Amino acid sequence: QVQLVESGGGVVQPGRSLRLSCAASGFTFRNHGMHWVRQAPGKGLEWVAVIWYDGGDRYYADSVKGRFTISRDSSKNTLYLQMSSLRAEDTAVYYCARADGTVAPDYWGQGTLVTVS
Amino acid sequence: QSVLTQPPSVSAAPGQKVTISCSGSTSNIRGHYVSWYQQLPGTAPKLLIYEDIKRPSGIPDRFSGSKSGTSATLDIIGLQTGDEADYYCGTWDSSLSAGVFGGGTQVTVL
Repeated sequence: QVQLVESGGGVVQPGRSLRLSCAASGFTFRNHGMHWVRQAPGKGLEWVAVIWYDGGDRYYADSVKGRFTISRDSSKNTLYLQMSSLRAEDTAVYYCARADGTVAPDYWGQGTLVTVS
Repeated sequence: QSVLTQPPSVSAAPGQKVTISCSGSTSNIRGHYVSWYQQLPGTAPKLLIYEDIKRPSGIPDRFSGSKSGTSATLDIIGLQTGDEADYYCGTWDSSLSAGVFGGGTQVTVL
């Protein structure tokens, strides 16, 4: 079955960097695009970034453009989110999600909490 | 301010029906498939509807999706207490070149 396990969250000071990882299993990772979606405490879902199945295209929300970088290592079945110049408003649970054939997120991980304080 | 507009909350008695609307524009809902997600308290979102109207295996047919123009709708019939959750619509926006979600709708079973 599809499994997505995020890691790397924690407490970080404003202006610092953090890298999140998402370990994928149960499907052919190299055949799927992957998303990062976040949810601030008590708030709704906010899409963050997507990377195409081959890493050829990457798109970002305006709120993170220039500060966050999405990447993948298909040899390790792992998705990454490198976050820099972190701000208090980046505090959220970060979910990775697999993209289906139409790019929509279908399977989601359980999330990892990032607190910028 | 979300790109897609959903009502903040809807409610109904057990066994009744609720309808959740998702309003967008030509650059998102009209031109791209809509998905719907259920988020139970304290858990990750779960896919309920994809490609506007399709249900993943395991999702009861009490949940149905539809789309017309720049709006999409999620219907839940035969409401159960276990359906109390937040529901989100999502799609791609070709003007923004970004994924977009609605602000979420909290469903309460009275």
